[in-house]
Amino acid sequence: DVKVTQSSRYLVKRTGEKVFLECVQDMDHENMFWYRQDPGLGLRLIYFSYDVKMKEKGDIPEGYSVSREKKERFSLILESASTNQTSMYLCASSLWQGIGSGANVLTFGAGSRLTVL
Amino acid sequence: GIQVEQSPPDLILQEGANSTLRCNFSDSVNNLQWFHQNPWGQLINLFYIPSGTKQNGRLSATTVATERYSLLYISSSQTTDSGVYFCAVELGYGQNFVFGPGTRLSVLP
Repeated sequence: DVKVTQSSRYLVKRTGEKVFLECVQDMDHENMFWYRQDPGLGLRLIYFSYDVKMKEKGDIPEGYSVSREKKERFSLILESASTNQTSMYLCASSLWQGIGSGANVLTFGAGSRLTVL
Repeated sequence: GIQVEQSPPDLILQEGANSTLRCNFSDSVNNLQWFHQNPWGQLINLFYIPSGTKQNGRLSATTVATERYSLLYISSSQTTDSGVYFCAVELGYGQNFVFGPGTRLSVLP
């Protein structure tokens, strides 16, 4: 089974701190994603990456950046954390099996719950 | 952009009851998946179902792509079925998934 591992389950940071959230997948997936989940707002896409060193903005990229230096690792960076970034952050990956194959099953990590004080 | 709606938003069942959850989407999609988020926050893929019907134990799903909806059926519900059920549609090819707001299911013993 694909395993997606997020480095921290719970984090508490202070306003203005730089925060790194790490995500590693072990099945050679091309695509990786960062979502945040908030009550009443569902899951919203922050960034995704379809290849090493490639990144695409999602719906809410402001205040975030990402890094993908290796295929298996996708990092989310909060340059200067703010209280409105308190949330559950979910990393996911999927295998690109080609146009028309349509078998791009999305697999999630366990989530990182970030609190910014 | 595409709109994804789910109904009902909340559902309370007695153990052993059956239920149907619905997902409507506003445009053609390449892929549709159903997920269950357990009380600890872990999202588990239940079905990849861009069209047709699939079954896995007590759960089954049907997607009618031409009419832009999908249904998730849960039969003989158990307390472990509690959590939030999301549908997600894929835009492009493996590069962006848009999630519905979810249906929160509570199964009472």
